[in-house]
Amino acid sequence: GAGVSQSPRYKVAKRGQDVALRCDPISGHVSLFWYQQALGQGPEFLTYFQNEAQLDKSGLPSDRFFAERPEGSVSTLKIQRTQQEDSAVYLCASSLFRGDHYGYTFGSGTRLTVV
Amino acid sequence: AQSVTQLGSHVSVSEGALVLLRCNYSSSVPPYLFWYVQYPNQGLQLLLKYTTGATLVKGINGFEAEFKKSETSFHLTKPSAHMSDAAEYFCAVRDSGGSNYKLTFGKGTLLTVNP
Repeated sequence: GAGVSQSPRYKVAKRGQDVALRCDPISGHVSLFWYQQALGQGPEFLTYFQNEAQLDKSGLPSDRFFAERPEGSVSTLKIQRTQQEDSAVYLCASSLFRGDHYGYTFGSGTRLTVV
Repeated sequence: AQSVTQLGSHVSVSEGALVLLRCNYSSSVPPYLFWYVQYPNQGLQLLLKYTTGATLVKGINGFEAEFKKSETSFHLTKPSAHMSDAAEYFCAVRDSGGSNYKLTFGKGTLLTVNP
């Protein structure tokens, strides 16, 4: 598609529930990123994929967070046993090349609220 | 590690007035610097970036920013604010070396434009 698509746009989860957030990057984009944006904060890096390989997951807050991109296109960010501090907007971005910041395109994000 | 400080979480200007949003960075190497804009319920859109060369960078929507190494600053300006400029603005620095795909963002500045 023309842009990065994220679904759902909004998700309300009860504490302890598992959630899965989906990102459809721009077709052909090699690099894919997940960022977490807490209320009143700037986005913070979570993880980076180059094609299907997860090259950096240093920003994932805990082992409850897991991301995959099995075929090098669509990516899913999964959060197990959600907690209130997981409430945030999760942004996905893709780019044609590694480090290609002119080509970074962000999706509109998924707003996760844990109650 | 790189870091970004945005002075003023909220800036309010009158329509037609000068917009000045401040950003200071910390980087151990010559930085790549960015300004992004985020409209409500939307993803981040790149306004402009500095990599090397000319220190005055022009972006979209009439915005520009000047890289000042001596002041470690990259302030964003626009001569005349328009109502449509109301949004949140984020300054970011790109990590260096092996993690040069990663962006570190400031906490953002919310710009309000009054009629």
